[in-house]
Amino acid sequence: GDSVTQMEGPVTLSEEAFLTINCTYTATGYPSLFWYVQYPGEGLQLLLKATKADDKGSNKGFEATYRKETTSFHLEKGSVQVSDSAVYFCALSQTGGFKTIFGAGTRLFVKA
Amino acid sequence: EAQVTQNPRYLITVTGKKLTVTCSQNMNHEYMSWYRQDPGLGLRQIYYSMNVEVTDKGDVPEGYKVSRKEKRNFPLILESPSPNQTSLYFCASSYRDTGGYGYTFGSGTRLTVV
Repeated sequence: GDSVTQMEGPVTLSEEAFLTINCTYTATGYPSLFWYVQYPGEGLQLLLKATKADDKGSNKGFEATYRKETTSFHLEKGSVQVSDSAVYFCALSQTGGFKTIFGAGTRLFVKA
Repeated sequence: EAQVTQNPRYLITVTGKKLTVTCSQNMNHEYMSWYRQDPGLGLRQIYYSMNVEVTDKGDVPEGYKVSRKEKRNFPLILESPSPNQTSLYFCASSYRDTGGYGYTFGSGTRLTVV
């Protein structure tokens, strides 16, 4: 079945450092890929998405590119802020589907 | 403001006492779903609904019931709660299916069953 694997955390960075959170997937066909962010005490929020190969999703300085050849959707940000401290979830869903598969989540701490 | 509203945010109850967690969305979404989030286990889907009067089981449906009588509402019912249902619960909705649209999540309900 479909699955999502993301790097274990926590990831601790200093402010203005470069961020990469790795995400790889296993799926049949051409699923849509998502990154969600969960701030402390809140629900998940959709951060960005990509619906086909080579698409780049971007939002709030974060980017991720749908790489079919490596089955990856790594999240990147050039300069993190303390306010980016949160848990990040990679997820996939099949077109027309009714299930979303979530990764285990990666906790990010950003120090001032 | 487009949102998914869950109530209550926090609930402590005793084993066996029936409870309902409400969920309402104002985006006219067809698809709604319930998840539970537990440390080390991530997000697990409980039930989902593709439209009014159409529901199906997710990965962990035991001990839960749902109904979808109106498009905007999707309550989660625990007929006889047990301590292993202590968890953080999220309701989520999507435009039609989960394919390319992504979810809008509620703020969560932290349930403790003693």
